[in-house]
Amino acid sequence: DTGVSQNPRHKITKRGQNVTFRCDPISEHNRLYWYRQTLGQGPEFLTYFQNEAQLEKSRLLSDRFSAERPKGSFSTLEIQRTEQGDSAMYLCASSHKDIGSNQPQHFGDGTRLSIL
Amino acid sequence: AQTVTQSQPEMSVQEAETVTLSCTYDTSESDYYLFWYKQPPSRQMILVIRQEAYKQQNATENRFSVNFQKAAKSFSLKISDSQLGDAAMYFCALDTSGTYKYIFGTGTRLKVLA
Repeated sequence: DTGVSQNPRHKITKRGQNVTFRCDPISEHNRLYWYRQTLGQGPEFLTYFQNEAQLEKSRLLSDRFSAERPKGSFSTLEIQRTEQGDSAMYLCASSHKDIGSNQPQHFGDGTRLSIL
Repeated sequence: AQTVTQSQPEMSVQEAETVTLSCTYDTSESDYYLFWYKQPPSRQMILVIRQEAYKQQNATENRFSVNFQKAAKSFSLKISDSQLGDAAMYFCALDTSGTYKYIFGTGTRLKVLA
């Protein structure tokens, strides 16, 4: 169990640029989640995948945000035309779908995005 | 709508003493899970303890235990014999069955004094 891995750890970019983050879940986990965490707040749910299918998207996820999980392994989160308000920590988590039980989510270190 | 409230932005405890962090929640679901996660500075969030709503017995994990009051919708975390390594942000989270997305509180920063 190598844990959930996120890259990059930090991303600084100018307003209007596009950015992409990557998340590698724990290998046997078939569920993957993205959250956003701003300073002084708890994480807020953005979207989640079961295998390669994106099953739910939050209203927080505007048209500028897109997430993919090709082949049900790693996932990418892309933000187009970044805005100041996008500055946050983006957290990825994964869990294993288990019949009759909600397995807890395991979180990565996050990617901190700063918009200049 | 589901909500999670942590009313203590910051708490302090002397090393080796006991501290209780508060969490209240609201949901209309009867089947749900509650979690406490710990987030050390610049480090990943890790699970401290979980509680299934259908279980009346309070969960315990070594020095960590919860006081789950379902009728009052309260879920507090007790840390016994506090250690310097317990210093972190603690988040309470709610997972209602079928959604699999966590609703987090705003967190409580715990300081442990030597």
